[in-house]
Amino acid sequence: DQQVKQNSPSLSVQEGRISILNCDYTNSMFDYFLWYKKYPAEGPTFLISISSIKDKNEDGRFTVFLNKSAKHLSLHIVPSQPGDSAVYFCAASASGSGYALNFGKGTSLLVTP
Amino acid sequence: DAGVIQSPRHEVTEMGQEVTLRCKPISGHNSLFWYRQTMMRGLELLIYFNNNVPIDDSGMPEDRFSAKMPNASFSTLKIQPSEPRDSAVYFCASSLNPQSMNTEAFFGQGTRLTVV
Repeated sequence: DQQVKQNSPSLSVQEGRISILNCDYTNSMFDYFLWYKKYPAEGPTFLISISSIKDKNEDGRFTVFLNKSAKHLSLHIVPSQPGDSAVYFCAASASGSGYALNFGKGTSLLVTP
Repeated sequence: DAGVIQSPRHEVTEMGQEVTLRCKPISGHNSLFWYRQTMMRGLELLIYFNNNVPIDDSGMPEDRFSAKMPNASFSTLKIQPSEPRDSAVYFCASSLNPQSMNTEAFFGQGTRLTVV
């Protein structure tokens, strides 16, 4: 059973515009959320995270928003750049589970010039 | 640090053969994870270790799969006998998890396994 869901398999955005990637989760025990970026033939690389005690975390062009009541988080990339084209995975973990990450299936982002 | 190192990068084997995937975590990390990526199921957690001890192997699909971590710097994932449906990319990841604190995991480049 998929506890972390990314319902949009793909997203296309023009360079300079905002990219918004969405993620929903079902397990209320999750208290730490992460976004990973993956290029072909490489492993996922950590991008940004947020603890459940916050509702927003910002790092340069990347901002993650968490809505605990809706069990929803989103990643905003602004402005989007062609180098941002990759697959983005949402992940979540619960302190009581040994910090193992549960991943969504990913959203493929294409940023066009 | 060189990051998480996995070997081999690619493995092609015949059905029924034994396959061993290897992982060297980042030095000092105390948690190690094995994931499998397929088109159908995405990234699935197979097993994870804390301080070399297996904590949860509920994601291991069948008894044909086994994993070991004999010391803090090495882990193996073995499939015996292998089947075509085991074809996937297998990732190893490690993290440093101080007590009561979540941190990110760092992934290796993966092993692409093809069973023919």
